[in-house]
Amino acid sequence: QSALTQPASVSGSPGQSITISCTGTSSDVGGYDLVSWYQQHPGKAPKLMIYEDIRRPSGVSNRFSGSKSGNTASLTISGLQADDEADYSCCSYAGNSTWVFGGGTKLTVL
Amino acid sequence: QLQLQESGPGLVKPSETLSLTCIVSGDSISSSYYYWGWIRQPPGKGLEWIASIFYSGSTYYNPSIKSRVTISVDTSKNQFSLKLSSVTAADTAVYYCARYCTSTTCYVGFDYWGQGTLVTVPS
Repeated sequence: QSALTQPASVSGSPGQSITISCTGTSSDVGGYDLVSWYQQHPGKAPKLMIYEDIRRPSGVSNRFSGSKSGNTASLTISGLQADDEADYSCCSYAGNSTWVFGGGTKLTVL
Repeated sequence: QLQLQESGPGLVKPSETLSLTCIVSGDSISSSYYYWGWIRQPPGKGLEWIASIFYSGSTYYNPSIKSRVTISVDTSKNQFSLKLSSVTAADTAVYYCARYCTSTTCYVGFDYWGQGTLVTVPS
């Protein structure tokens, strides 16, 4: 069970859009529609932003969207805002009631 | 409103056993809709899933750490616990407890988290 691969950092200016990728294998990301994304501000617990690859919990801005193609899932944030600056992590179900996280991506809003 | 709260020592000596408990309030831990789990985050690093447990007692472990980990549940106290043996400095991390929902009546993911507790193992 290897960690999912995310870019270490991404950046964008206010109002722009950014996309964070999350690459796994056919045993996790590609094998189930169970990728979730988490936002984490410094010193805080992660917050669920996307679940089941593409679904958004109520209360999460529609500026956040998820997608998936094969073994790679993506999180897109449109209309970047200063408060979006945080760490973002993906997580996938990996079968047999196990889960695997990505290494996390630091988003900087310029 | 569901709340999870971790408790346990913040400092553990090398080679000893780390023990943490997560107290669940606001809902019963005895539901077939949820897994209850532990996730850790070393300083400056990413999240790592450690283990999960079902209310029935069925346990699931990260293969990379399975030999040192035990997760258990106490439904009478509405809490679950983690034990990690033979700790080293590499086990220094913020440890979170979290709920994973599996039902379409909630959000399928780690939807509730504790605030996290820093456990330090000196080198």
